Amino acid sequence: KAGVTQTPRYLIKTRGQQVTLSCSPISGHRSVSWYQQTPGQGLQFLFEYFSETQRNKGNFPGRFSGRQFSNSRSEMNVSTLELGDSALYLCASSLGAFQTISYNEQFFGPGTRLTVL
Amino acid sequence: DAKTTQPNSMESNEEEPVHLPCNHSTISGTDYIHWYRQLPSQGPEYVIHGLTSNVNNRMASLAIAEDRKSSTLILHRATLRDAAVYYCILSAGNQFYFGTGTSLTVIP
Repeated sequence: KAGVTQTPRYLIKTRGQQVTLSCSPISGHRSVSWYQQTPGQGLQFLFEYFSETQRNKGNFPGRFSGRQFSNSRSEMNVSTLELGDSALYLCASSLGAFQTISYNEQFFGPGTRLTVL
Repeated sequence: DAKTTQPNSMESNEEEPVHLPCNHSTISGTDYIHWYRQLPSQGPEYVIHGLTSNVNNRMASLAIAEDRKSSTLILHRATLRDAAVYYCILSAGNQFYFGTGTSLTVIP
């Protein structure tokens, strides 16, 4: 069974631009979560989607948004990029919705490394 | 607010047990404790999780204090492949709160 895939793996953008990252979950998984990882803040939860609905969101500004499609693939968008948005963006999928995450392990992708210049 | 506190780094000799501690003094009754580990240049990998009782799986054991304010991840026999950053996480309020992680070095 194929794992979680994220595209692109590396991305360089300039301040003010916007970016869209893509995540394909493991087949059959309906929950997709997004995380930001930086050396200063560590791993932080961005949001979770289940059955095309955003169910939970972390403490990030509205510039960070996402969506999930009917095939469970998810995209994350960051508008008006800032230097501080440079990070590794990780996507994770699981069988169950986040409220049942305690019963389902999350499977993480390799991440997308975003650099904002 | 930091929900979990972990030592920054630990060392262990190969084939010896490793006890990785985590403090979560603000834990509430419905918060689960999760452990994930991250190898260099990879996404985190699930290790184990629990609520109140101690848990065992093929990778590790999780010992949870009676008051649930702390827990310990136990790797029974450390191997070189266990060298990674180990994150203690609380799932609370429908969010995942990662700790800062413990970098485990395994000495051959």
